[in-house]
Amino acid sequence: DAGVTQSPTHLIKTRGQQVTLRCSPKSGHDTVSWYQQALGQGPQFIFQYYEEEERQRGNFPDRFSGHQFPNYSSELNVNALLLGDSALYLCASSLGQSRFTDTQYFGPGTRLTVL
Amino acid sequence: DAKTTQPNSMESNEEEPVHLPCNHSTISGTDYIHWYRQLPSQGPEYVIHGLTSNVNNRMASLAIAEDRKSSTLILHRATLRDAAVYYCILRELNNNAGNMLTFGGGTRLMVKP
Repeated sequence: DAGVTQSPTHLIKTRGQQVTLRCSPKSGHDTVSWYQQALGQGPQFIFQYYEEEERQRGNFPDRFSGHQFPNYSSELNVNALLLGDSALYLCASSLGQSRFTDTQYFGPGTRLTVL
Repeated sequence: DAKTTQPNSMESNEEEPVHLPCNHSTISGTDYIHWYRQLPSQGPEYVIHGLTSNVNNRMASLAIAEDRKSSTLILHRATLRDAAVYYCILRELNNNAGNMLTFGGGTRLMVKP
């Protein structure tokens, strides 16, 4: 079992550019959540995808969008990058049917640096 | 979501027990208590969770106060590999809620050899 995988590992962009991050969930999982973790802080929830639809969204602007594919993999897109978007972006997968006590499995993250 | 309060950091000696406290005085009756930890340069990983009774698994034990306003994560014998940030998280049992995790600042555990 490969677990949750994310690509790329690191990325450097400039202000105003657009970026796409990718995530493959753990085998058998159908739900993908994305988190942003600034340096020295805990992860902050961006949104969650289940059955190819956004099920829940955190307090992030519309510049942050996502997609889930039929094979449950997911993309996070960020438009018009700002310096403040520099962070570690974490993907987590879980089983959507078990909402209350399910375990979320995290990938290693993508480190995004905006210059 | 109800808020949790944890110490910013704690120190422990290798092979000694560690008790990581978490206060959640506004917890509701339907909130589960979850613990995750984040090792350096890795994503968070699940440790343990509980509702009312104390829980044990291969990684740790979770002791929940009778009034549920606080809990303690217990590592029975700390190793250097247990050095991480430990997050105490409340998750509401709600049919309409997604299963997002709301992280606070966590407790940075340092383990001395």
